Amino acid sequence: RKEVEQDPGPFNVPEGATVAFNCTYSNSASQSFFWYRQDCRKEPKLLMSVYSSGNEDGRFTAQLNRASQYISLLIRDSKLSDSATYLCVVNGGSNSGYALNFGKGTSLLVTP
Amino acid sequence: DARVTQTPRHKVTEMGQEVTMRCQPILGHNTVFWYRQTMMQGLELLAYFRNRAPLDDSGMPKDRFSAEMPDATLATLKIQPSEPRDSAVYFCASGLALQGNYGYTFGSGTRLTVV
Repeated sequence: RKEVEQDPGPFNVPEGATVAFNCTYSNSASQSFFWYRQDCRKEPKLLMSVYSSGNEDGRFTAQLNRASQYISLLIRDSKLSDSATYLCVVNGGSNSGYALNFGKGTSLLVTP
Repeated sequence: DARVTQTPRHKVTEMGQEVTMRCQPILGHNTVFWYRQTMMQGLELLAYFRNRAPLDDSGMPKDRFSAEMPDATLATLKIQPSEPRDSAVYFCASGLALQGNYGYTFGSGTRLTVV
């Protein structure tokens, strides 16, 4: 079982829709959490960090529930340019050398 | 913007040949990671260095893979001998590992095909 689990999708949504991705992680000692975005044949890029209090960056909202070991990403008013794979990422902290563990990603396709 | 530079971008080689991939981390970053990405497995951590010292290479097949960091500006990942199952995209990432740490920056990757 992978340490970080995500629904692979694909999620096909029309422009303007709201879409939510979920992720669970198994290491309760994990210290920091992120969403990365990866476009086809490109490298992963940091989209946003995820904080316990929840945080928002424009149309993107991330939530963390430490008790349930659950992370979410909400995208409002989807744009065509949001089409990509969204990777849920967990940093295990000092015990794991601050290495990042990646989910396999959730594929999003926004259609006109 | 500061970038992590990886070379080569693409590599096609025959089974049994040696492959060397190179990474120049962002200046000042103290941690360098090597990841491998395939459709089946997603992103897998192969090895990583802190202040040039290898910390963990448990994700690597030891008999054929080796990772080194000869100086602060260069990390290498070597496969000898290469096999078709090594075909994947190999990413290098660098960052600062601190308490309250942040995400890391990835290079563009080396797309390796072993035939």
